[in-house]
Amino acid sequence: KAGVTQTPRYLIKTRGQQVTLSCSPISGHRSVSWYQQTPGQGLQFLFEYFSETQRNKGNFPGRFSGRQFSNSRSEMNVSTLELGDSALYLCASSPGGFDNQPQHFGDGTRLSIL
Amino acid sequence: AQKITQTQPGMFVQEKEAVTLDCTYDTSDPSYGLFWYKQPSSGEMIFLIYQGSYDQQNATEGRYSLNFQKARKSANLVISASQLGDSAMYFCAMRDDIAPRLVFGTGTRLLVSP
Repeated sequence: KAGVTQTPRYLIKTRGQQVTLSCSPISGHRSVSWYQQTPGQGLQFLFEYFSETQRNKGNFPGRFSGRQFSNSRSEMNVSTLELGDSALYLCASSPGGFDNQPQHFGDGTRLSIL
Repeated sequence: AQKITQTQPGMFVQEKEAVTLDCTYDTSDPSYGLFWYKQPSSGEMIFLIYQGSYDQQNATEGRYSLNFQKARKSANLVISASQLGDSAMYFCAMRDDIAPRLVFGTGTRLLVSP
């Protein structure tokens, strides 16, 4: 069974630009969550999607947005990039989200802002 | 609000020895789940073990076991017979039944020496 796939693996952008990250969950998983990992703030929850609906959102500015498609694939968009957005962005999927099944993570997208 | 505390920034262990990584948590929710993840230097988060708040027995998965002490709000990870490949960051995380999101601790870096 294929795992969670995140593309691209690495990305370099400049301040003010926007970026879109992609996540394909494990087949059959309908819940997709996004996390940001930085040395200073650690791992922080961004948002979670289930059946194309955002069910939960973390404490991030509106520049961070996402969506989920009917095949459960998800995209995350960050607009007007700032230096502080440099981070490892991790996507995780689980069957439904509220059960005891663990979230399985992808390899992450490492975003660097110049 | 939920909180996970990992007080050991780094741990050293010799190959084939056992090691315990500490995790304490704080929550007012009666139902919750506790997870441990391993993050090698390459970045991916690997699920290791899960413990539910109502589980009567401590969880075990191969060389990993979870020492769950509910009254003390601790969920320590025990790795038996350490291997060189166990060198990585280890994160303790919690999920409640209200929102399918994980709250992570700051992590413990484990180094296994030959």
